[in-house]
Amino acid sequence: DAKTTQPPSMDCAEGRAANLPCNHSTISGNEYVYWYRQIHSQGPQYIIHGLKNNETNEMASLIITEDRKSSTLILPHATLRDTAVYYCIVRPNNYGQNFVFGPGTRLSVLP
Amino acid sequence: ETGVTQSPTHLIKTRGQQVTLRCSSQSGHNTVSWYQQALGQGPQFIFQYYREEENGRGNFPPRFSGLQFPNYSSELNVNALELDDSALYLCASSLVGTELYEQYFGPGTRLTVT
Repeated sequence: DAKTTQPPSMDCAEGRAANLPCNHSTISGNEYVYWYRQIHSQGPQYIIHGLKNNETNEMASLIITEDRKSSTLILPHATLRDTAVYYCIVRPNNYGQNFVFGPGTRLSVLP
Repeated sequence: ETGVTQSPTHLIKTRGQQVTLRCSSQSGHNTVSWYQQALGQGPQFIFQYYREEENGRGNFPPRFSGLQFPNYSSELNVNALELDDSALYLCASSLVGTELYEQYFGPGTRLTVT
């Protein structure tokens, strides 16, 4: 079973920041938080991951709380192309560990 | 887009038949994982191959089997197809031996069993 909890759906206005929350209260010390997204009928796309520090790349920012029990993915200026299902996953960064996907959050970016 | 490719794109089979799906991993990656994604659900892990051996398996019956070749490409074989096997099958490649283990997914093969 997935170790994360996400809202099933969210809306965001185009051009605004999209903030997608994720709860992972049972996360272990060696587990990373990964975010993927899946645009309709395509394979999941890697977005970002982190352990305990906040991370930023060209796609998004990841904010992890100090106790690591929750995190937020931030898309700073959402576009219509960001409409997708967003998956938050926790997993150890070890050899042989697969990704356990939950149902994710369906983000709709509205014009 | 990732460098992971899958073939075929779509496939229709009849219940009881066998199917083989193929995956070419991203250049430089040595590990391939396979996932099944039913409509409206997140991907479910089937198994992973590393150095041509199965290296972990999800809750799938033995009629789901796989191979990894020396060039790190992979096949997923499903025998005795059932209607519930209809799904999007995804492969993902990664590089074991580095600090980062993000998986890069292919576009998937849509299998329909009738």
